[in-house]
Amino acid sequence: DVKVTQSSRYLVKRTGEKVFLECVQDMDHENMFWYRQDPGLGLRLIYFSYDVKMKEKGDIPEGYSVSREKKERFSLILESASTNQTSMYLCASSILWTGGGYTFGSGTRLTVV
Amino acid sequence: QQQVKQSPQSLIVQKGGIPIINCAYENTAFDYFPWYQQFPGKGPALLIAIRPDVSEKKEGRFTISFNKSAKQFSLHIMDSQPGDSATYFCAACVSGGGADGLTFGKGTHLIIQP
Repeated sequence: DVKVTQSSRYLVKRTGEKVFLECVQDMDHENMFWYRQDPGLGLRLIYFSYDVKMKEKGDIPEGYSVSREKKERFSLILESASTNQTSMYLCASSILWTGGGYTFGSGTRLTVV
Repeated sequence: QQQVKQSPQSLIVQKGGIPIINCAYENTAFDYFPWYQQFPGKGPALLIAIRPDVSEKKEGRFTISFNKSAKQFSLHIMDSQPGDSATYFCAACVSGGGADGLTFGKGTHLIIQP
């Protein structure tokens, strides 16, 4: 019954590496989102997309980019990973105009060393 | 303003007690207020949500109270159980407007002691 799948649960990368986090949803949702979760800071929106090839910056887009070539897949890219990007990354999807009924993946815990 | 302020940051309640988590917002355009529950190692899951045309919504042991004039809403958990121990996030957004996603509170780590 998995609906939003994040490709990795844990990742360890070196500073300066290019990192790809993948997210796939099987619910035919238009909206997809990337959040990062840090203790005491809650969930912060990095990027979102409401259609294929469309992307919008969230609150903290610096150091990140995204790609959405297919409706079901939304990728987060760290162009040059830094230690301050060590975090839990959560992908979510929703129906367009749904008003917030998001389905989240289980998250990817990224450690940059 | 997009901020949603959530309190307390952490909360410990005895089994059977009624934990209350509060949230306040500033953007009067927000019209959808969900609560998410997150267990360790899992992503957040939608628990209950309310729109500002009602002042209260109940689903099982979970109740949202909404005060539009004060721009505040809260989550109450009746007859709390150890299995309710989790992190709870309130959130808000403008529905149906191509909005920039949900704005989340910073979360409340709830522990229900047996």
